[in-house]
Amino acid sequence: EAQVTQNPRYLITVTGKKLTVTCSQNMNHEYMSWYRQDPGLGLRQIYYSMNVEVTDKGDVPEGYKVSRKEKRNFPLILESPSPNQTSLYFCASSFRQGANNEAFFGQGTRLTVV
Amino acid sequence: GENVEQHPSTLSVQEGDSAVIKCTYSDSASNYFPWYKQELGKGPQLIIDIRSNVGEKKDQRIAVTLNKTAKHFSLHITETQPEDSAVYFCAATPSRGRGSYIPTFGRGTSLIVHP
Repeated sequence: EAQVTQNPRYLITVTGKKLTVTCSQNMNHEYMSWYRQDPGLGLRQIYYSMNVEVTDKGDVPEGYKVSRKEKRNFPLILESPSPNQTSLYFCASSFRQGANNEAFFGQGTRLTVV
Repeated sequence: GENVEQHPSTLSVQEGDSAVIKCTYSDSASNYFPWYKQELGKGPQLIIDIRSNVGEKKDQRIAVTLNKTAKHFSLHITETQPEDSAVYFCAATPSRGRGSYIPTFGRGTSLIVHP
């Protein structure tokens, strides 16, 4: 089954403790991205990647890192999480970066930083 | 960059009524406009999309319209059912310039269909 898998689904952590949210897709998609969803603000892009070893900042990249060492994986790293990073996070992938390409989203990771 | 405004933020209708969600965009280079539905506890899923060379597209009970001159596009759901209750996002994707091919999403509309 074609899918985007995120782990974990839920995470509660403390301020400053490094964490990684994993994202994996099995559709051989070139383009992957991370979004955060906050009430009243919709989906805001954090980082995106056009292909292996190619990443770029989205609209809200501060406090986040990403890597794209393999085509299927695109982890989101929070080196020193803070409470303002409490949010619902989504990973998405599409066949290539381009217009007219459907984005497939993961199930989401709800992160709470205390 | 692109800016997408979406209204209303909440829409409450009775089962069987129609629902309309409207979006405006700012970048004239945008040429692809997808709509996503997000059910509770799930990620957004594409339900319909429209390209700039088309004014209207229909798929069963849902339709999208696009007015490129006015830079607005709308989602129309007819004969609403309780299972249509969800958050709906519009997006605009520019084909050139900074941020090309990266979708910008609206803030979402929470649609509630009362049985």
